[in-house]
Amino acid sequence: ETGVTQSPTHLIKTRGQQVTLRCSSQSGHNTVSWYQQALGQGPQFIFQYYREEENGRGNFPPRFSGLQFPNYSSELNVNALELDDSALYLCASSLGQASGYTFGSGTRLTVV
Amino acid sequence: GESVGLHLPTLSVQEGDNSIINCAYSNSASDYFIWYKQESGKGPQFIIDIRSNMDKRQGQRVTVLLNKTVKHLSLQIAATQPGDSAVYFCAENRRDSGGYQKVTFGTGTKLQVIP
Repeated sequence: ETGVTQSPTHLIKTRGQQVTLRCSSQSGHNTVSWYQQALGQGPQFIFQYYREEENGRGNFPPRFSGLQFPNYSSELNVNALELDDSALYLCASSLGQASGYTFGSGTRLTVV
Repeated sequence: GESVGLHLPTLSVQEGDNSIINCAYSNSASDYFIWYKQESGKGPQFIIDIRSNMDKRQGQRVTVLLNKTVKHLSLQIAATQPGDSAVYFCAENRRDSGGYQKVTFGTGTKLQVIP
């Protein structure tokens, strides 16, 4: 059984650019959530996908968008990057919408 | 407003002692709570969860207590070991007014185990 894998592990982008982060969910998991974790803080919920549809969203602007594919893998897209978008982006998968999540190790995004 | 917060940002415990990490929440509609452990450079790791219809749940060396009256959650770690050193987060899962799932993490407590 494989866990949650995220790519890339590190990324540097310029302000104003767009970025796509990828996540492969744990085998058998149909729900994927994305989180933003700033240094020294707890993860902030961005959104959740269940069976390819968004079914939960935190307080993030529309320039944060996502997709879930039929194999339950997922993408997080961020447009018009801002310096404050620099953070660790975590993906988590679960079986169902209210069960324990398995997290990936994250993608460290730096916006310069 | 809504919040899930922790009382102590840092907790230092002697190896072998028991640790208690506390968490307060403000949304009485929350139906599911989870504790996570995060080591440096890694994603959060699931420790234990509890549903709102329970007040206690035990795992291996860990116990979670839920007091809905005062909206308080705690994680107890028995016989704390150096490998327990990490940041611990409580998280709250609930459905919002639109029927959507929403997960809120606390700010975290850093547990330091003194050998």
